[in-house]
Amino acid sequence: DQQVKQNSPSLSVQEGRISILNCDYTNSMFDYFLWYKKYPAEGPTFLISISSIKDKNEDGRFTVFLNKSAKHLSLHIVPSQPGDSAVYFCAASAGANSKLTFGKGITLSVRP
Amino acid sequence: NAGVTQTPKFQVLKTGQSMTLQCAQDMNHEYMSWYRQDPGMGLRLIHYSVGAGITDQGEVPNGYNVSRSTTEDFPLRLLSAAPSQTSVYFCASRSTGLKQYFGPGTRLTVT
Repeated sequence: DQQVKQNSPSLSVQEGRISILNCDYTNSMFDYFLWYKKYPAEGPTFLISISSIKDKNEDGRFTVFLNKSAKHLSLHIVPSQPGDSAVYFCAASAGANSKLTFGKGITLSVRP
Repeated sequence: NAGVTQTPKFQVLKTGQSMTLQCAQDMNHEYMSWYRQDPGMGLRLIHYSVGAGITDQGEVPNGYNVSRSTTEDFPLRLLSAAPSQTSVYFCASRSTGLKQYFGPGTRLTVT
């Protein structure tokens, strides 16, 4: 039973436009959510996080939105750049010091 | 500050062989984890440790052993390799909070 779902395996956007990556979760105990970015042949790197006490967190071009009632979060990248092309993983945790549960990932391609 | 290091980068094993994947971190992090990444499956937790001497199972622990004798090192042992263990393995560490630092990965092929 997959608790963190990234239902779209891939997304392609034009450079300069907005990329919206979606993530759904089923476990109502999850209260911390993170996004990781992964380039080929490298380990994932932390991108941005949000706790359930917030509904938005922004860091430069990256914004994460959390809709607790819908158990849905999304990552917005504005403007998208070719260097953003990577696999993006959504992850969730029940508690600040608990183990992370990852989604399957979304491959983002940003076309020049 | 090297962060999280993993060795080897690549390994080919025959079915039934054993080996140890090494992981070390120099950030004095208490929490360390092992994940495997398979196509279409995302990152799945194998084993984790919340401190030296303490380990626990994750989502897919069968066929793997771990130990944590020091804060720095968290080796993953494959006892009898199987083709189903062909994967990319990532080690990660973190202090308090959830921001994990991942190593570069070990690509393992079992024939």
